[in-house]
Formats: sequence, structure tokens, C-alpha cells
Amino acid sequence: VIWMTQSPSLLSASTGDRVTISCRMSQGISSYLAWYQQKPGKAPELLIYAASTLQSGVPSRFSGSGSGTDFTLTISCLQSEDFATYYCQQYYSFPRTFGQGTKVEIK
Amino acid sequence: EVQLLESGGGLVQPGGSLRLSCAASGFTFSSYAMSWVRQAPGKGLEWVSAISGSGGSTYYADSVKGRFTISRDNSKNTLYLQMNSLRAEDTAVYYCAKASTVTPYWYFDLWGRGTLVTVSS
Repeated sequence: VIWMTQSPSLLSASTGDRVTISCRMSQGISSYLAWYQQKPGKAPELLIYAASTLQSGVPSRFSGSGSGTDFTLTISCLQSEDFATYYCQQYYSFPRTFGQGTKVEIK
Repeated sequence: EVQLLESGGGLVQPGGSLRLSCAASGFTFSSYAMSWVRQAPGKGLEWVSAISGSGGSTYYADSVKGRFTISRDNSKNTLYLQMNSLRAEDTAVYYCAKASTVTPYWYFDLWGRGTLVTVSS
């Protein structure tokens, strides 16, 4: 099993801030990492795959980086619609695993 | 329109059974692996099970192995999850999710809205 440590679990920020979320793996996964955004009462939505490739339609203020065991999701200029919970997920092996989630809340 | 629509959730007693369904449309269902992912109230996402496009390969989380069975009917574009010996800790919203590619390295590029399963006496 590949364990994932996502941090922080809670991030308080203001509109316009640059925010960074970290995801660390217990073993290397190359670039087989995805990021999802989830808003309350809604299904998750894909933001980024292959660690750094933006899903079609996702704003360019979102970016991802990393490979191996350490990955980062960055939102360059936080907008009101970005306040949500974010999850990383590895797809290198089974069982598929998710990070614990990072809730981005209004400061 | 490309979409997934889950059904079959509800209230069930501990030890009981339930079968979830997920109707797919707008893509070639048989070409893609499919998964179930669940989310307990106020908690994070947990992958539950996956099945290959042909249905020949299945995968399970340890937490459900031996109790849940994933299957699919490609003629009906429908995914299933048979859940037996249900426990309180199985209470969650269950999402159906589509694999992104036909290769072994797939993430989830399409999600359903979810169906709530509550296990309680």
C-alpha cells in the first residue's frame, strides 16, 4: 500500500493569496498523481493529472509540480470559487489511495 | 452527454445487504475501467473497488474485501456494487467514477453525483 501524507489539513487564506498544498508518498510513484477539488455536497472534480497537466477547462491559476515522492498543488491567486477541499490521489498501483484532504477556507 | 448516475442507496441494518448501480452514458462504457469511491460523513475520499473494461479483473480495498463484489453489464452500460455484511463504518456517499484511459495507469476523470448508504439499526 502506498501511504500519502497531505498537508496542511486546513489552510486559511484570503482572496488573491498564493497557496500551496503538499502531498508526500511513502514510495516513489513517478508522476502518477492527480489532484481533485471538492465543494460541499458535490462530487470531486479533476484538476490536474500526471502531476502537472491541467485538465481541460481548469483555470491556469492552478498548477502542479513534483515527481517521485513529493508533489505540490499551487493556486497562484485565490478566487472566491476556489474555497473548497483538495485531494491528491496516486494511480501508480492498487489500492488507489487518496490524501487526507486540505480544506481551503476564507481567512 | 457524458455522465454517470448512481442509484440504490438507502438505509439498511447492520449485517444487511444492498446493491448499488451506476448507469453510464455518452462514452464507450466497455472500453474503460470503472471504480467505486466512498466518502463517510465529514471525512475524506476512500477508494473501494475497481473493475476492468471487460470485467475480467477486479480489485478491492482491504476494508471491503470478501464483503463487496463489483461487476458490470456492458450490454446495459451499467456498473454494480453488491454490498453484503454491511457495518456501521460502511455508511458513506458512494460515488461511481470512470477511468481516464484504457492503460493500467488511470485516474478518475468523470464522477457521478453519489448515492448515500446508511447502515444503522
